[in-house]
Amino acid sequence: EIVLTQSPGTLSLSPGERATLSCRASQSVSSSYLAWYQQKPGQAPRLLIYGASSRATGIPDRFSGSGSGTDFTLTISRLEPEDFAVYYCQQYGSSPETFGQGTKLEIK
Amino acid sequence: QVQLQESGPGLVKPSETLSLTCTVSGGSVSSGSYYWSWIRQPPGKGLEWIGYIYYSGSTNYNPSLKSRVTISVDTSKNQFSLKLSSVTAADTAVYYCARDGPTGYQDYWGQGTLVTVSS
Repeated sequence: EIVLTQSPGTLSLSPGERATLSCRASQSVSSSYLAWYQQKPGQAPRLLIYGASSRATGIPDRFSGSGSGTDFTLTISRLEPEDFAVYYCQQYGSSPETFGQGTKLEIK
Repeated sequence: QVQLQESGPGLVKPSETLSLTCTVSGGSVSSGSYYWSWIRQPPGKGLEWIGYIYYSGSTNYNPSLKSRVTISVDTSKNQFSLKLSSVTAADTAVYYCARDGPTGYQDYWGQGTLVTVSS
């Protein structure tokens, strides 16, 4: 199975700053089938990005995804207070689907 | 707007079978465009994909759970279900049902239900 490693484990930033989250795969992700989710405490994950770079419906344009092969990035251009949460990447191109361990984005 | 809702016992004894149902509203499990997944999250930990089902009954399971998992669909009730046998404390988790988008990401999720395995 494809192992996804997210870095950093925790990212401490202030509102208004730019956040860059990384997701590295143990082997190439087929057809860039890579998604990003946001999860807040007590809530289900919310789809942000699919296909490595396509924003899901209703997701603000401050969220962007990039990358291909084994290296992917989620960028939040200007952090809003509601963006502080845990972020997961997921590959769904190879079975079994797998998730990264998550990056916690916390307020500095 | 598609909505999913998990239901089932919140407490299961070790060695027994965990059974959950996901009821879909605002959409149809019979739609040929989507698959329907189960995903779980142990308390304080990350996400684990359990498996998915197509309306025809075709399934795909995570090999790590395959010997214990059964996912089924009831198109007449617009529901799909999860059974996990021989549970242990390691199966304690929040269980989510979700709809898979056209290529496999999960675009709609239920709120999740906590299942605790304990005697």
